[in-house]
Amino acid sequence: DAGVTQSPTHLIKTRGQQVTLRCSPKSGHDTVSWYQQALGQGPQFIFQYYEEEERQRGNFPDRFSGHQFPNYSSELNVNALLLGDSALYLCASSLARGGPGQPQHFGDGTRLSIL
Amino acid sequence: DAKTTQPTSMDCAEGRAANLPCNHSTISGNEYVYWYRQIHSQGPQYIIHGLKNNETNEMASLIITEDRKSSTLILPHATLRDTAVYYCIVKYSGAGSYQLTFGKGTKLSVIP
Repeated sequence: DAGVTQSPTHLIKTRGQQVTLRCSPKSGHDTVSWYQQALGQGPQFIFQYYEEEERQRGNFPDRFSGHQFPNYSSELNVNALLLGDSALYLCASSLARGGPGQPQHFGDGTRLSIL
Repeated sequence: DAKTTQPTSMDCAEGRAANLPCNHSTISGNEYVYWYRQIHSQGPQYIIHGLKNNETNEMASLIITEDRKSSTLILPHATLRDTAVYYCIVKYSGAGSYQLTFGKGTKLSVIP
């Protein structure tokens, strides 16, 4: 039973560029959330996708956007990269139809470095 | 979602039980308690969650006080691989609340 998989594992970009990160949810899950984790901090919620729509968003600018596909996989796009966007980007999946309290399961993230 | 308070760090001898406390005095009746841990350079790993009753799985036990204002995560026989940051998170189970809000967590060091 595959867990949450993310690609790539590491990425180096320069300021002003754009990046796309990818996530495949745990088998059977229908919901994907994205988090940003700066060095030494806890993960911060970016947004969540369910039924191919963004249904909640954290305090992140519009440069951060996402997409969910019919197979439940997801992409996170970041435009006009800033040095401060350097972080570990985590994807978490869960099952919305599984009833209340369903936990989110995380992948090991994409380490994004901005030069 | 209710705020949680955890000790910054704890030590535990290898082979002994690790008891990690969490205070969530403002928790409401439809908020769950979740525990995650994060080992360096990996994503957070789900451990266990509960609403009112104590819970046990293959990784750990979760003890929630009767008034639900605090809880304890118990790792029955800590190993060096349990060294990690442990996060206690309280989250509303209803519609409109989908994010996990991470605090600073407890850094657990398992000592040989």
